[in-house]
Amino acid sequence: KAGVTQTPRYLIKTRGQQVTLSCSPISGHRSVSWYQQTPGQGLQFLFEYFSETQRNKGNFPGRFSGRQFSNSRSEMNVSTLELGDSALYLCASRQEYENTEAFFGQGTRLTVV
Amino acid sequence: AQSVTQPDIHITVSEGASLELRCNYSYGATPYLFWYVQSPGQGLQLLLKYFSGDTLVQGIKGFEAEFKRSQSSFNLRKPSVHWSDAAEYFCAVGAKGYSTLTFGKGTMLLVSP
Repeated sequence: KAGVTQTPRYLIKTRGQQVTLSCSPISGHRSVSWYQQTPGQGLQFLFEYFSETQRNKGNFPGRFSGRQFSNSRSEMNVSTLELGDSALYLCASRQEYENTEAFFGQGTRLTVV
Repeated sequence: AQSVTQPDIHITVSEGASLELRCNYSYGATPYLFWYVQSPGQGLQLLLKYFSGDTLVQGIKGFEAEFKRSQSSFNLRKPSVHWSDAAEYFCAVGAKGYSTLTFGKGTMLLVSP
C-alpha cells in the first residue's frame, strides 16, 4: 500500500512569488491535513480537508490556502511568499473513523530567497 | 486549548542503555496520544498511539509508552537504544474525532557509542 506522497520534495522560490504544493493521500483516506514545520515554531497545523471541504483551519494568514479534489488529493497554495515561509510542509492523511492515526508524507522543503 | 510539553530539547544516551523521553499534555477530556519520530529531512513516522484501554502501549522498533492520566503524561521508553534510534521524537495530542494534532517541540535523541 503506497504511503502519503508529496510533490515536489524541494522548492526554491523568490520572495513575492506564489507556490503550490501537492499531496496524494493513502488510498481510501479522505481526511488530509497540512502542517508547517520550522525550527523556531515547530509543527503547526495549517488546515484540514475532508470530502473537498475545509473542516478546520489553523492560525495562518490568508496567503495560505488549500483545496481538495474529488479523489482526495490535496493542494496547498502560498501567495506572495515571504522569507519566513521557508519551512518543511508536511501533509498527513487519515481514515475517517474513530481511533485512527494520521500518516505523514516525506514533506516538501520550501526555501524562499 | 490543548498543549504538549516535551521538557527535554536534547538527550544523549549511550548505545545499549535505556531511554525515557518525557511528554506532558494539557487537554480537558481523554486525549488521543501519539509518538512520532523524524529523521533529518524526512517526514514523521508513527511509533505508537493511545486511544483508550490498556495504558501501556507497544509500538514499532521496540518502543513502548505509558499513559498516566493522573500525571497528564505519556512517556516514551525503550530498554536498549540502538545507534539507528538517533532522531527527533515528537509527542502529539488529538481530540476524539480529531482533525488536528497538537505537537510538542520535539526531543532530539543523540546516541553515543
